[in-house]
Amino acid sequence: GAVVSQHPSRVICKSGTSVKIECRSLDFQATTMFWYRQFPKKSLMLMATSNEGSKATYEQGVEKDKFLINHASLTLSTLTVTSAHPEDSSFYICSARVGTSGFTDTQYFGPGTRLTVL
Amino acid sequence: KQEVTQIPAALSVPEGENLVLNCSFTDSAIYNLQWFRQDPGKGLTSLLLIQSSQREQTSGRLNASLDKSSGRSTLYIAASQPGDSATYLCAVKDSGTYKYIFGTGTRLKVLA
Repeated sequence: GAVVSQHPSRVICKSGTSVKIECRSLDFQATTMFWYRQFPKKSLMLMATSNEGSKATYEQGVEKDKFLINHASLTLSTLTVTSAHPEDSSFYICSARVGTSGFTDTQYFGPGTRLTVL
Repeated sequence: KQEVTQIPAALSVPEGENLVLNCSFTDSAIYNLQWFRQDPGKGLTSLLLIQSSQREQTSGRLNASLDKSSGRSTLYIAASQPGDSATYLCAVKDSGTYKYIFGTGTRLKVLA
C-alpha cells in the first residue's frame, strides 16, 4: 500500500531556532499534501494545504510566516517552523493525496513528528 | 462550518465486551467518513472508510455505519481486546473543500 514518511520522527530544539519537517510519499506521486497539528489529547487540526509548484493555502488563524510550507515536487513537502517557541510544541502530521476527484481520491497519513521546543 | 463530535470522550471496558463509539457531524454534505486508530505518540491508522452513498463497512471485528441525513456514524467493536486500547478518531471529508475534518476522539481502554 501507499506509504507516507515523515522526518524527523522526533525533534527537540531551543526557543528561537527554526525546524524543518519533511513529508514524503514513498511509492506514489501526491498532487496535494496536507499538514495537521495535534495538541496533547486533542484532535487533528488542519493547518494548510499544499499543491506541488504553488503556494500553500493556510487555514484561518495559522500564520503563514511562522509555518513555511514548500511543495517542491510531487513526492516531497516540507514544513518549517520558524523562530520556534514552546507554544509551537506539538505533534505534526502530514497526509498525501492521490487523485484529483474529491469523491474518489485517497489520503494517506504520515507517522507524525513530535516537536518539543525548550 | 463543519463540526465533528465524538461521544464518549473516554471509555474503559472489560475485555470481551462489545462497544459502540459515536461520531456526529453538523453538515451532511460529505464525500466520505473515515475511522482511524491512533496509538499514543503515533500517527493514524485507517480502519474503515464509508463513502457517502454507503450505509456501512465491515472489517474483522469492526463495523462502521453511516447515516448521512442525520449526521451520525457509529463504530462497533465486537469482543474487545486489550490490544484495541487506543484513541479512535472519525473524520469527514467535506464535499465543498475536499478537506478532512477530524472529530474530538474517543480514548478507549480495554482492561484484561
